[in-house]
Amino acid sequence: AQSVSQHNHHVILSEAASLELGCNYSYGGTVNLFWYVQYPGQHLQLLLKYFSGDPLVKGIKGFEAEFIKSKFSFNLRKPSVQWSDTAEYFCAVYFNAGNNRKLIWGLGTSLAVNP
Amino acid sequence: GAGVSQTPSNKVTEKGKYVELRCDPISGHTALYWYRQSLGQGPEFLIYFQGTGAADDSGLPNDRFFAVRPEGSVSTLKIQRTERGDSAVYLCASSSQGANEQFFGPGTRLTVL
Repeated sequence: AQSVSQHNHHVILSEAASLELGCNYSYGGTVNLFWYVQYPGQHLQLLLKYFSGDPLVKGIKGFEAEFIKSKFSFNLRKPSVQWSDTAEYFCAVYFNAGNNRKLIWGLGTSLAVNP
Repeated sequence: GAGVSQTPSNKVTEKGKYVELRCDPISGHTALYWYRQSLGQGPEFLIYFQGTGAADDSGLPNDRFFAVRPEGSVSTLKIQRTERGDSAVYLCASSSQGANEQFFGPGTRLTVL
């Protein structure tokens, strides 16, 4: 069965610290992977996505993620976090089989950045 | 429109009542999705429309839940005989033909008392 696992449910960092959020997926088809962010009081926004090609993808606000096929992973990174990065982060894999199309989501990681 | 919109933003109802949640997708997007997000969880797929038809409704939890998209644009999620366990944020997303990236609305927070 398809699934997404996010290892860290709650992360607390100080500003300028480096961030890495783990994401592992289980899916047998062609992999399309996403990281979405939800800032407090706002709706889900796309941070970055991987469809094919270069496994290191860069997104908005200095975020990047690396697709490692052998590890079924798509970890999110940022070298130096800011207070404004405080948000909920979700990893998702796109499931596409015939008429069945949907995003399968991890539970999310709550990031709090202390100024 | 500029983005996906959902109404109402908040809905409080009593157990056993009927509710309708509305989604206006981005203009021209043919695919529309409904998800449900409970507290502390990631979104959970409910139903996917391609045009007017429900291509995949495998995520609807039971027959109290139903969704329509009669003209291939606006969609309404309908919940009959609401239960306290239906309390959640209901998210709508849309995407253009053949695209995998989904654009999300702000959600409707449903509270069943």
